[in-house]
Amino acid sequence: AQTVTQSQPEMSVQEAETVTLSCTYDTSESDYYLFWYKQPPSRQMILVIRQEAYKQQNATENRFSVNFQKAAKSFSLKISDSQLGDAAMYFCAYNSPTDSWGKLQFGAGTQVVVTP
Amino acid sequence: EAGVTQSPTHLIKTRGQQATLRCSPISGHTSVYWYQQALGLGLQFLLWYDEGEERNRGNFPPRFSGRQFPNYSSELNVNALELEDSALYLCASSTGTSGSADEQFFGPGTRLTVL
Repeated sequence: AQTVTQSQPEMSVQEAETVTLSCTYDTSESDYYLFWYKQPPSRQMILVIRQEAYKQQNATENRFSVNFQKAAKSFSLKISDSQLGDAAMYFCAYNSPTDSWGKLQFGAGTQVVVTP
Repeated sequence: EAGVTQSPTHLIKTRGQQATLRCSPISGHTSVYWYQQALGLGLQFLLWYDEGEERNRGNFPPRFSGRQFPNYSSELNVNALELEDSALYLCASSTGTSGSADEQFFGPGTRLTVL
């Protein structure tokens, strides 16, 4: 079975600083997609960024960027210029058309705390 | 554009009862997904419906069931409730056009408490 591992239960960052969240995954598939979702206290899950495995270029969305290392099966999220509104639980997720069709498999999550 | 909506927001039941949770997808979305977020267990995939058909099912007992209606809204039914069914149930929808690449848009969830 595919697994997604987030080894950092909580990360703290000061406003305007940068924080990096780690995610590793296990799969034997070559075609898959990786996602970072944000869940603020309101509990509404919001997609932060998406990466296609066949793309070597790392995805970027404004202050959010990923470091996708396919051989190492690593998918870290970097939040630059952190803002108070970035405080949330962040989940890494995996999906593949060949083995998890439609099913997002989530890591345990990393709580991001932003301090003024 | 209205997002994914779920009802009710909170639901309190006693053990052995049945619970029905409802989800309305974003207009134009044909796929609906259900996830369970239980304390200590993380987010677990329950069911995926597309065009009225069940496409995939997670590792949950048969007392978890659902359906998708012609207007693409969906219902999740949990029979014979057990204490460990207490969780936040999240519904998501997608266009269903790109399979696993589709962004899944989540609703605010239904908090089910089983006493």
